[in-house]
Order: sequence, then structure tokens, then C-alpha cells
Amino acid sequence: AQTVTQSQPEMSVQEAETVTLSCTYDTSESDYYLFWYKQPPSRQMILVIRQEAYKQQNATENRFSVNFQKAAKSFSLKISDSQLGDAAMYFCAYRSVRQGGSEKLVFGKGMKLTVNP
Amino acid sequence: KAGVTQTPRYLIKTRGQQVTLSCSPISGHRSVSWYQQTPGQGLQFLFEYFSETQRNKGNFPGRFSGRQFSNSRSEMNVSTLELGDSALYLCASSLDVGGAGEKLFFGSGTQLSVL
Repeated sequence: AQTVTQSQPEMSVQEAETVTLSCTYDTSESDYYLFWYKQPPSRQMILVIRQEAYKQQNATENRFSVNFQKAAKSFSLKISDSQLGDAAMYFCAYRSVRQGGSEKLVFGKGMKLTVNP
Repeated sequence: KAGVTQTPRYLIKTRGQQVTLSCSPISGHRSVSWYQQTPGQGLQFLFEYFSETQRNKGNFPGRFSGRQFSNSRSEMNVSTLELGDSALYLCASSLDVGGAGEKLFFGSGTQLSVL
């Protein structure tokens, strides 16, 4: 079974600074997807960024980028120019591509990000 | 376009009762999945439906069940509630046109408290 580990339960960053959230995962599969989700106090999970394992190029979405190290099974999220609205719980998630079409996500425990003004 | 709608937002029940939670996916989305979120266990997959058929199921007891209707709306039911069932229940939907990298869109959840 796949597992996702987020070892830092909490982090804080100053507004406008850069912060990196770490995530490691364990799998025996070679093809899969990785995601970062954000959960603000409204509780709604919002997709931040997605990475296909077969792509060597790291995904980027505006101020958000990832550092995907397949051999090390590491998938970190970098937030540049942090904004107050970035404060939330962040979850790393894994999806296999061999589950008969299932879209099941395996989540890490999450990390609380605080942005200080 | 309306997002994923979950009702009710909050629910208080007592042990032994049963509860039904509802999820209306984004219009046109065909797949609905459910997750349980607790402080101790984090987010855990409950089940997933596509075209009214359960496509995948997590490791939860049989007290947890669900279904999907022809309009893609989904319900989950928990019978004989236990204190440990207190959690945020999240529903997610997707277009599901076959790609494994499809994006899931989540609702704001139903917060269930069992007393």
C-alpha cells in the first residue's frame, strides 16, 4: 500500500517570503500522480498543483512550484511571495494509475502554514 | 457554475442513531468520492461511485454505506453511530473522462458530531 508522509506538522513564514513544504511517499509503482491540496478554515479542499510521475519537468502554477525527486520519492511544494491568504492546512496526496480507473487519493497528515504580516 | 454542495453542513447525533449525508457534484461530473477527516487519522478514503456503481471502497466497517443516483448525486449513510464516527465528511467530484490525473473538486464537508 502507498503511504504519504508530511513530517512537519506546522510552519510559519513572513508575508512576501518563500517557504517550502516537504512531502515524501512510498510506492512500488512507477506511474502515478502527486498533488498538493490546500484546506483553509472554510474546510473546502482546493487543488494547488499536480505532478505526473512520468514527467521530469517540475510543475508550476503561478507562485506555487514543486520539486519532484522521483528516485528519492520526494515531492516538496514551494510557495513564493507568500500572501496572508496562503495560510491554511496543506496536504500532499498520491494517486495510483492502476486502480481500475479509481480516483482514490492517499493523503498525508497535513501541515499547518501560518503567514505572518 | 456551482461547486460541490454538501448538506447539511453540521449535524449532531447520539450513539446508536443513523445518519445520511448528501452530496451534489458539479454539473456534468460523473464521479463522486467520499473521505472522512479526523484529527487523529487524517483524511481517509471511504468509497467512490461512478455511474451509480461503487468503483472502489476504503477500509471501513459495513456500517458505512453509500449510493449514487442517476443524476450523479450521492448519499452516504452511517448506521449505529459510534463516538469515533465524529468527523468531517468530505465529498469530491470529477468529470472522469478516463485520465488518472483528473482533478477532484471538493465540497466544504459535513461536520458530524456523535454524542
